Amino acid sequence: KAGVTQTPRYLIKTRGQQVTLSCSPISGHRSVSWYQQTPGQGLQFLFEYFSETQRNKGNFPGRFSGRQFSNSRSEMNVSTLELGDSALYLCASNPTSTSYEQYFGPGTRLTVT
Amino acid sequence: QQQVKQSPQSLIVQKGGISIINCAYENTAFDYFPWYQQFPGKGPALLIAIRPDVSEKKEGRFTISFNKSAKQFSLHIMDSQPGDSATYFCAASIGNFGNEKLTFGTGTRLTIIP
Repeated sequence: KAGVTQTPRYLIKTRGQQVTLSCSPISGHRSVSWYQQTPGQGLQFLFEYFSETQRNKGNFPGRFSGRQFSNSRSEMNVSTLELGDSALYLCASNPTSTSYEQYFGPGTRLTVT
Repeated sequence: QQQVKQSPQSLIVQKGGISIINCAYENTAFDYFPWYQQFPGKGPALLIAIRPDVSEKKEGRFTISFNKSAKQFSLHIMDSQPGDSATYFCAASIGNFGNEKLTFGTGTRLTIIP
């Protein structure tokens, strides 16, 4: 099976802009979670989607949002970018209902200037 | 509030030695404890995971030891190899379907020297 794919892999944006990141889960996996990884804060949970519904949410401001499509693909959006949003954004997919294992994609490296 | 504490921050081990990374958790509702390995430029890769109903789980050179009463768990890498040089993260989740979000430790940068 193909792994989790994320696009784009690298992105440079200017403060105040918005950005959309995309994630395609492993085939058959219905749950998609997003994490932010920074040197200072480590890996932090953003939100999780299952069957097109946000099921869990971390402690991030409303500028961070996401959605999931009927084919389980997911997007996350960050509006009004701040310098502190520079991070590696990781997507993880999980089959749910059969396993707790989460499989991560390679991430999207976002740099805000 | 850091719910999963990981130590050490960095670790240098000679080739062939045993690498040991420790984690402690606070939330007694945590019920699933995976370890992830991350190489530079890559996403974390699931290495091994344990549920609290067993005290130890071994997969090849990797072993998780779990102490429920102390709320601690550790990763042992036997016969460490240069290819094991990576950052390792412990994590925990409540372990019921519908609540799989992971809380991660801060990571341990492991370097295996020849």
